[in-house]
Amino acid sequence: DAGITQSPRHKVTETGTPVTLRCHQTENHRYMYWYRQDPGHGLRLIHYSYGVKDTDKGEVSDGYSVSRSKTEDFLLTLESATSSQTSVYFCAIRGASSYNEQFFGPGTRLTVL
Amino acid sequence: GNSVTQMEGPVTLSEEAFLTINCTYTATGYPSLFWYVQYPGEGLQLLLKATKADDKGSNKGFEATYRKETTSFHLEKGSVQVSDSAVYFCAHPQGGGADGLTFGKGTHLIIQP
Repeated sequence: DAGITQSPRHKVTETGTPVTLRCHQTENHRYMYWYRQDPGHGLRLIHYSYGVKDTDKGEVSDGYSVSRSKTEDFLLTLESATSSQTSVYFCAIRGASSYNEQFFGPGTRLTVL
Repeated sequence: GNSVTQMEGPVTLSEEAFLTINCTYTATGYPSLFWYVQYPGEGLQLLLKATKADDKGSNKGFEATYRKETTSFHLEKGSVQVSDSAVYFCAHPQGGGADGLTFGKGTHLIIQP
């Protein structure tokens, strides 16, 4: 158990509304990641963080922003949600080894109507 | 660029059958290779890993060997159980500093009693 929680676990929202998803970890890991999972695509990286206030874009970052003001929390924000952002969102942390194994939270299922 | 190719399925087998899920990858150099498993409604769990050529990762009766000659990391199990029904993902680090993971699209495995 990597001590990762995500909130909320489920959310239904309407197109055009802002949404923030939270990832919380309890083990002081430096690297944190946000992925989205869609049928036929596997998981794709949205944004990642390599320290407090240090973030960068992944392969599908358009329409998303992130913030990390504390080591333990990594927030993903959809400024104006669209139906194409309906997905399951997973947060991950990088383990302590040098091999970049990652450990995942339980996910947030987001539906944008 | 980096990519991972695996059969998507669904793959349906009878209990106690032999399992092979193929995975081939494209990457720069020789990255670590991972298999993750996702049970219904849950996040991804690291199933096994291999960190260099000819390494064999193993866990819970599953095995995979890192074959650099064929750029493959096929997942095998000698006798599957109903409880092995899940989605299996092959993955490797994307390369670069913070190293998100590149995932295959996932293989849905169904084991029938």
